Amino acid sequence: DQQVKQNSPSLSVQEGRISILNCDYTNSMFDYFLWYKKYPAEGPTFLISISSIKDKNEDGRFTVFLNKSAKHLSLHIVPSQPGDSAVYFCAASAIYGGSQGNLIFGKGTKLSVKP
Amino acid sequence: EAGVTQFPSHSVIEKGQTVTLRCDPISGHDNLYWYRRVMGKEIKFLLHFVKESKQDESGMPNNRFLAERTGGTYSTLKVQPAELEDSGVYFCASGVSLVEQYFGPGTRLTVT
Repeated sequence: DQQVKQNSPSLSVQEGRISILNCDYTNSMFDYFLWYKKYPAEGPTFLISISSIKDKNEDGRFTVFLNKSAKHLSLHIVPSQPGDSAVYFCAASAIYGGSQGNLIFGKGTKLSVKP
Repeated sequence: EAGVTQFPSHSVIEKGQTVTLRCDPISGHDNLYWYRRVMGKEIKFLLHFVKESKQDESGMPNNRFLAERTGGTYSTLKVQPAELEDSGVYFCASGVSLVEQYFGPGTRLTVT
């Protein structure tokens, strides 16, 4: 029973275009969401996060959108660069609900940005 | 500032043997987490320490897994005896607050 779902195992985009990675969740107790980026043989690296009181958070080329009613979030990367090629994990937590911060991860989406 | 370090980077052991994984968190980080990724599946939470105390060990698979965090600094995760299904990548993460977790590079465990 997956609580965080990333339904696209892979995504390929052209350099300079927008990359949109999607994530759905089922647990309405989740109140904090994070995106991590992972290169082979490395640990996940924190990218951007959003709390449930917001619907958008932006950091440079990265923007995360949260639609609580649809239990859906997305990560937009604009413009995409070849160095963005990696596996992106969506993660959720019920921090304010007392979960102590343990993260529930999706299976990841492998992004390939082609020059 | 040094990041989270894990040792060894890769361990190959036979079924029935014992393995101990080590994690050194970022200095000053009271929160320390262990996660595991079995091949083809999502990264799953194992347990959470605050300093030397176990806050949540609900993700530990069974009693063959034992985690410790002596003195609230580094942590070890021992698997005894190891089974084939224990193979995977074990990640450690640390943070000052509950909203941030910095991950180490992971230890790839292969049980044959």
